[in-house]
Amino acid sequence: EVQLVESGGLVVQPGGSLRLSCAASGFTFHNYGMNWVRQASGKGLEWVSFISWDGYSTYFSDSVKGRFNISRDNSKNSLYLQMNSLKTEDTALYFCARDISGQYCIGGACSPWHAVDVWGQGTTVTVSS
Amino acid sequence: SSELTQDPAVSVALGQTVRITCQGDSLRSCYASWYQQKPGQAPILIISAKNSRPSGIPDRFSGSSSGNTASLTITGTQAEDEADYYCNSRDTSGHYVIFGGGTKLTVL
Repeated sequence: EVQLVESGGLVVQPGGSLRLSCAASGFTFHNYGMNWVRQASGKGLEWVSFISWDGYSTYFSDSVKGRFNISRDNSKNSLYLQMNSLKTEDTALYFCARDISGQYCIGGACSPWHAVDVWGQGTTVTVSS
Repeated sequence: SSELTQDPAVSVALGQTVRITCQGDSLRSCYASWYQQKPGQAPILIISAKNSRPSGIPDRFSGSSSGNTASLTITGTQAEDEADYYCNSRDTSGHYVIFGGGTKLTVL
């Protein structure tokens, strides 16, 4: 069974740090890029960060750039999110999610597509004094 | 552009057809995917690659796109389809993932 299990969510004070982990199983982890996506209570999905299959390419949303770092250990089938200088607005449920993409072609014309096809159940981060 | 715009709420009568739309400049260069999220659950992918359904997703769900607009159509809506629906794609740079704000579907 393809599975992603997040851990590490806690209550932390503003300005503090936290490291989230995501354990992957049931698929060849090193073949896939991975994302962190968060959702504040009652709000929509917000993409946080992406890391390529080999860890060499990383991208961050403007809201976390310079404060968060994403990494992976393919030997351990694990994804991480290091969160520094936490703010109250970082309070959310954080999902680990698998990235897929490809090309869709019609009549010889191709356009890219992208999706997030496997999601964990999330881990809750609360930033509060 | 790095935004995808969805109507916040849509309602549909049981058994009828509903279309949920998603607009954004990124959709001119990257097909949208669609997700369903029920309260207390993680999102699930229901449409990718313009109109491809993962295994287990009913065929009453379909996707289409034209220009800067992607659409999710539910034909013969069931009570269990009441949920939040999100679109997503990559932005025009191809590096950043973006989600629409979500549409809350109410089945009457």
